[in-house]
Amino acid sequence: GENVEQHPSTLSVQEGDSAVIKCTYSDSASNYFPWYKQELGKRPQLIIDIRSNVGEKKDQRIAVTLNKTAKHFSLHITETQPEDSAVYFCAAINSGGSNYKLTFGKGTLLTVNP
Amino acid sequence: SQTIHQWPATLVQPVGSPLSLECTVEGTSNPNLYWYRQAAGRGLQLLFYSVGIGQISSEVPQNLSASRPQDRQFILSSKKLLLSDSGFYLCAWSVVPFNQPQHFGDGTRLSIL
Repeated sequence: GENVEQHPSTLSVQEGDSAVIKCTYSDSASNYFPWYKQELGKRPQLIIDIRSNVGEKKDQRIAVTLNKTAKHFSLHITETQPEDSAVYFCAAINSGGSNYKLTFGKGTLLTVNP
Repeated sequence: SQTIHQWPATLVQPVGSPLSLECTVEGTSNPNLYWYRQAAGRGLQLLFYSVGIGQISSEVPQNLSASRPQDRQFILSSKKLLLSDSGFYLCAWSVVPFNQPQHFGDGTRLSIL
């Protein structure tokens, strides 16, 4: 089955700096990659996603890049703010297979210091 | 628009007591439904998922069970809770095709005493 590795497990940056979180996946047939943000005590919320027919996607300060050859994808947050502090999860799925579940990474705790 | 309701928000139960957590989705038909558990400071562990009424797939052997009595209703149950069942339980839904996001409910924080 699919295996998703996420790095780093913790990341601390200064306000205004950029943050990058990387994930690798094992199933070359995976074709959908969402990212979730989970604030303390809250539910995970989708912040951005990318499909395998696209190499990059941006939404304001957030971007995701996908390298299908290397089987890795990354979340980029620019001009970080204290409210970006949260746990971020990447995930992957082969939507064309018989597997109906997302495989999640173990999460990255991002702390943005004022 | 679609919404997901999950209750209760918090629950404190003694060891050995039964459990029933309910999740309902509105605004969509035939959703895929999921139950996750999250221990404090940890990742998301998939417990069960369902692609249709009465269809339940179990991911982790445990003393929990799930049922889907109606199209948009997903129930997580236990006959006898263990201390290790404590955690944050999240229900989620998605639609076919599977290259669509999962959306999570607000979760139930379960403490076992």
